[in-house]
This record gives sequence, C-alpha cells and structure tokens, in this order.
Amino acid sequence: EDQVTQSPEALRLQEGESSSLNCSYTVSGLRGLFWYRQDPGKGPEFLFTLYSAGEEKEKERLKATLTKKESFLHITAPKPEDSATYLCAAPYSSASKIIFGSGTRLSIRP
Amino acid sequence: EPEVTQTPSHQVTQMGQEVILRCVPISNHLYFYWYRQILGQKVEFLVSFYNNEISEKSEIFDDQFSVERPDGSNFTLKIRSTKLEDSAMYFCASSEVIGDNYGYTFGSGTRLTVV
Repeated sequence: EDQVTQSPEALRLQEGESSSLNCSYTVSGLRGLFWYRQDPGKGPEFLFTLYSAGEEKEKERLKATLTKKESFLHITAPKPEDSATYLCAAPYSSASKIIFGSGTRLSIRP
Repeated sequence: EPEVTQTPSHQVTQMGQEVILRCVPISNHLYFYWYRQILGQKVEFLVSFYNNEISEKSEIFDDQFSVERPDGSNFTLKIRSTKLEDSAMYFCASSEVIGDNYGYTFGSGTRLTVV
C-alpha cells in the first residue's frame, strides 16, 4: 500500500537551533517527492520537488534531500517565522493524485 | 504571483443541504483537483479533473459529490446532501501538467461546517 509517514509529529526548537524532519515513503514507481509548508487555516504552499536519490534542493534556511526510501527537510538556524506544519507528499502511481503525510508541526521559540 | 482563489472562505450549512464550493484555478493550468482536510487529520485527495471530465476520484468522492467547470475560469465542488462528517477544510488545487515539477498550487481553502 502506498504510504507517506512523517516524523516527528511535533518539534519545538529555539531560534537558531538547526534540526531535520523526516519523511519515509513506500510508493511504487515514485514520480517525485514534494515538500509543502502549511500555515494554520491556509492551504499547502509548495516548497520543493525531488525526483531522484541523491538530489538536494535549497530555499533560504531549508534544504530537502532524497534517498531511495526517505526524504529529509533540514532547517538551518531557524527563525520564528519558520513555524508551520511541514508536509511531505508523493504522487500515486497514477500521478493524477498525491498522498500526503500527516505533517510535522514545527515551532520556533524566539 | 498567480493564485488559486476559493470562495467562500467559510460556509456553515444545515445537514442535508446542498453546498457549492467555488474555485478559480490559475489561468494557464489544465489540471484541477479537490482535496479536503478534516481537523487534525491528513490532507486527502478527492478528485482530479482534466479536459472537462474526472480523471480520478477517491473512495470519499461518492454520488453525493460532483465537480463542474461551468465556464472557462471557475471550477466547482458540489455536495448534494451534506452530512456532519463532511465538515472539513476543502482545498482546490491546479497544475500545468500532471506531476508538475513545481507541485500543485493550492488555494487557501473553504472551511465547511455542517450543523
């Protein structure tokens, strides 16, 4: 069964304290792995797409990496405005729909 | 930056009533989607739509649900007879192509409350 699992469920960091969020997936014929940011009461906001093992993408304090079974979202020296829920998602084999993980709620304390 | 626009932002309806949720996708996008998120749960796929027909739908998308592109800009989700368990955030999304390199662009959602 296609599945996307994220850990931890919640993460509290001090401003400037770097860490990583994990996404493991079992999706046959992977067609990409997406990372989204979701603020309370808002829709998911696209961050990255990764397609092949070893690929890395960066945006400001965020870096996403991909292995054959996992993806990591590294956050370096986070600021309070990075507080949000980070969602990992992958297209199903049909590619016309995507399956989301349950997300990691990230809180950054000033 | 282009946006997906959803209206209304919040809708309260009586159980058994029909509701229509509206979306204006990004103008050059060809693929349209509806997702929903029950409070505290995962974002779930409902339906994808391309070339004026449903491409794929989930088990959630039963006969009570329908989608339509009534004109060149709007994309709607209709729930014929709402149930309490339909209460959720409903997100519209669009993409230029299937498996778009840039992911799907989501709207800000409509919070549907069924009482």
